[in-house]
Amino acid sequence: DAKTTQPTSMDCAEGRAANLPCNHSTISGNEYVYWYRQIHSQGPQYIIHGLKNNETNEMASLIITEDRKSSTLILPHATLRDTAVYYCIVRVAGEGNKLVFGAGTILRVKS
Amino acid sequence: NAGVTQTPKFRVLKTGQSMTLLCAQDMNHEYMYWYRQDPGMGLRLIHYSVGEGTTAKGEVPDGYNVSRLKKQNFLLGLESAAPSQTSVYFCASRGSGTYNEQFFGPGTRLTVL
Repeated sequence: DAKTTQPTSMDCAEGRAANLPCNHSTISGNEYVYWYRQIHSQGPQYIIHGLKNNETNEMASLIITEDRKSSTLILPHATLRDTAVYYCIVRVAGEGNKLVFGAGTILRVKS
Repeated sequence: NAGVTQTPKFRVLKTGQSMTLLCAQDMNHEYMYWYRQDPGMGLRLIHYSVGEGTTAKGEVPDGYNVSRLKKQNFLLGLESAAPSQTSVYFCASRGSGTYNEQFFGPGTRLTVL
């Protein structure tokens, strides 16, 4: 699985968009980009995933660059409840479809 | 629909004791996983299962055993607990679709003295 690099922490004002970057320069053609988040000590929660096209769901948008070497998770209107650790994961199908978690980005949403 | 549940929520063991953590899912998922999370770190995969009766090693399997006798349950065993196994343990499950997401349980906090 390709390695990902994320900033250690970020701050965002409540009500503003939170843009969380992720670098995955060694990603290969059949690897998807997944985003999960972990609020306080709870189990991680799935947010979104994509291959090469931009994706949007009720929680967030995922923007993947054309060369697929980086992506950005966008929370359009961050709230205090979005304060969490956000994990960017690159995953290849097969081998049990395992997830390899890095340290993630601590997002602090402030009022 | 309870999703993924874990039993117990908390446990304190003495070095050398044994215990079993239970994970149950009611979503008819094929895949199940056990992870551990140490302070300030991401989750690390211990063992996983791709279906009833199957198990496979993950990234950090030493000191743990697992069994998947029923599709809905995935058990994680510690035969002789060590302080290094003090951690938060998360179970997850996912459906059989190639890119289905994993659903996580609430975690079990284990302390080994």
